[in-house]
Amino acid sequence: GQQVMQIPQYQHVQEGEDFTTYCNSSTTLSNIQWYKQRPGGHPVFLIQLVKSGEVKKQKRLTFQFGEAKKNSSLHITATQTTDVGTYFCAGYLANTGNQFYFGTGTSLTVIP
Amino acid sequence: EPEVTQTPSHQVTQMGQEVILRCVPISNHLYFYWYRQILGQKVEFLVSFYNNEISEKSEIFDDQFSVERPDGSNFTLKIRSTKLEDSAMYFCASSDKSTDANYGYTFGSGTRLTVV
Repeated sequence: GQQVMQIPQYQHVQEGEDFTTYCNSSTTLSNIQWYKQRPGGHPVFLIQLVKSGEVKKQKRLTFQFGEAKKNSSLHITATQTTDVGTYFCAGYLANTGNQFYFGTGTSLTVIP
Repeated sequence: EPEVTQTPSHQVTQMGQEVILRCVPISNHLYFYWYRQILGQKVEFLVSFYNNEISEKSEIFDDQFSVERPDGSNFTLKIRSTKLEDSAMYFCASSDKSTDANYGYTFGSGTRLTVV
């Protein structure tokens, strides 16, 4: 079955340090989404990437979609305590019906 | 900003009992989903619903589960005979794929189901 893995599972950083989470799929994806879930909260949509090699930025967040459309990354520059949460990628395959497969998530802790 | 509303926020039920989790998706959305998240784990897809029928379901969504859109606003998930392993946070989500630009799923705040 479809597998979407993320590394690392956990990351602790000092406030101001950068953070990157990587998302890898066992199969080629049609598109990929990223979500943030605060502790005790629900997933909140951040962005969608569709094109091979696409790069999108949202302030301090940079999202990349790999050339082969099997991997993606989220990079946060100069982390802040408000960045705390779990970041999930969710990959979509056009041929598997109307669903996204969520990755295993990376839990980010920012130490002030 | 439009929200997906879920009720109740927390449900405790005895093993073997039936539960119905309720969701009110965003009014102009056409696609509806149920996901679950066991504590500390990833978000798992259960079922998607479009045009008044199930469009996709996972292996988790067995005969004990059913979904319904009884009227124009509510979207429900029923678990017929709950098991201990059904304890999880259940998220409802909806989406509008009317544009290709940048749609995403809007998740509700979830219902924490505890089976005892």
